[in-house]
Amino acid sequence: GAGVSQSPSNKVTEKGKDVELRCDPISGHTALYWYRQSLGQGLEFLIYFQGNSAPDKSGLPSDRFSAERTGGSVSTLTIQRTQQEDSAVYLCASTNQGANEKLFFGSGTQLSVL
Amino acid sequence: GENVEQHPSTLSVQEGDSAVIKCTYSDSASNYFPWYKQELGKGPQLIIDIRSNVGEKKDQRIAVTLNKTAKHFSLHITETQPEDSAVYFCAASMGGGADGLTFGKGTHLIIQP
Repeated sequence: GAGVSQSPSNKVTEKGKDVELRCDPISGHTALYWYRQSLGQGLEFLIYFQGNSAPDKSGLPSDRFSAERTGGSVSTLTIQRTQQEDSAVYLCASTNQGANEKLFFGSGTQLSVL
Repeated sequence: GENVEQHPSTLSVQEGDSAVIKCTYSDSASNYFPWYKQELGKGPQLIIDIRSNVGEKKDQRIAVTLNKTAKHFSLHITETQPEDSAVYFCAASMGGGADGLTFGKGTHLIIQP
């Protein structure tokens, strides 16, 4: 079946603008994660959704970052008033928690803030 | 929190030779250690994982070893092939699963023809 889908694949924006990044997880997966991958760095955890529970937002770097997951499926990561240091690849992953801890990643959104 | 160190950052080996990537972790409570492979323009993909109740796991040309006393684990790739060229990430988790995974900074593996 289809894997994790992210859109857009590339986003170029001007400093100070807001951006929205979308993630469509694998159907039936209850857990969804957002990670940030900066050049030469590892995968930085941002936020975690599990079913109907309150999300774990402990990785969000500032209050300019927020995310929501509607109907337990699609998720949107929003970055307000973008800064140049926000430039990175934003990766989404999903898993069917409890059955398999394997994370399935999307191909990511490359965000460039000019 | 957990801290995962990964070495080397870049590794170049001749095709057919073996490659070894090493990681250390800080929290002795960690009990799940996956390895992910990321090809250019794609998201990471799980290639092998190991739990703290075993010391070694093998899958064809790939093996992972775990030393809980020393808090380090390694990825071994034998008979390397051009398609092994990628960035490899190790990770550690205390939750026994994907919860709370802490990733290393990655190793860029280059297979020279």
